[in-house]
Amino acid sequence: DVKVTQSSRYLVKRTGEKVFLECVQDMDHENMFWYRQDPGLGLRLIYFSYDVKMKEKGDIPEGYSVSREKKERFSLILESASTNQTSMYLCASSPPSGRYTQYFGPGTRLTVL
Amino acid sequence: DQQVKQNSPSLSVQEGRISILNCDYTNSMFDYFLWYKKYPAEGPTFLISISSIKDKNEDGRFTVFLNKSAKHLSLHIVPSQPGDSAVYFCAARSGLVFGAGTILRVKS
Repeated sequence: DVKVTQSSRYLVKRTGEKVFLECVQDMDHENMFWYRQDPGLGLRLIYFSYDVKMKEKGDIPEGYSVSREKKERFSLILESASTNQTSMYLCASSPPSGRYTQYFGPGTRLTVL
Repeated sequence: DQQVKQNSPSLSVQEGRISILNCDYTNSMFDYFLWYKKYPAEGPTFLISISSIKDKNEDGRFTVFLNKSAKHLSLHIVPSQPGDSAVYFCAARSGLVFGAGTILRVKS
């Protein structure tokens, strides 16, 4: 069965802290994605990756970075967390084609105080 | 500027009736669209998709209609069930672009 896991379901951090959100998929998918979900704004793409060590900016990359050292793992990094980064963060993966659906993890609810 | 728009934040429907969720897009180059359903505290799950070479795709109670000239697609759920209550997202470009979502509430 397809599985995407995220390291934490809930996370509380303080302003200025460095935050790591981890995502692991077991489907050998080439593509991996990070989104944030906010009320009224839907899912907004932060970064995505088509292959190991490759990354592409999405619509809202400011304040974030990513790392993909292994095919199955895609990390989202908040270098210096701010309160406006309080959100639900969703990771997804998909095979290397324009027509395949994405498989999502359960999400991490991050609160920055 | 949002390339995919879901203009209805919420929809309430009686059990057994039809639910119609709408989605508009601006980019005529989009050639594949997907609908995802999301329950609280879970990630979105794929529901149904449609290619631009079709105008309709059906899967059980779910049907998606595509009107390319109007740049509009809609998801029909018939009959609606209480378990369909969720947030529904329209997406294009293999997930690179999502709409804001519509909260569907099916009342029993």
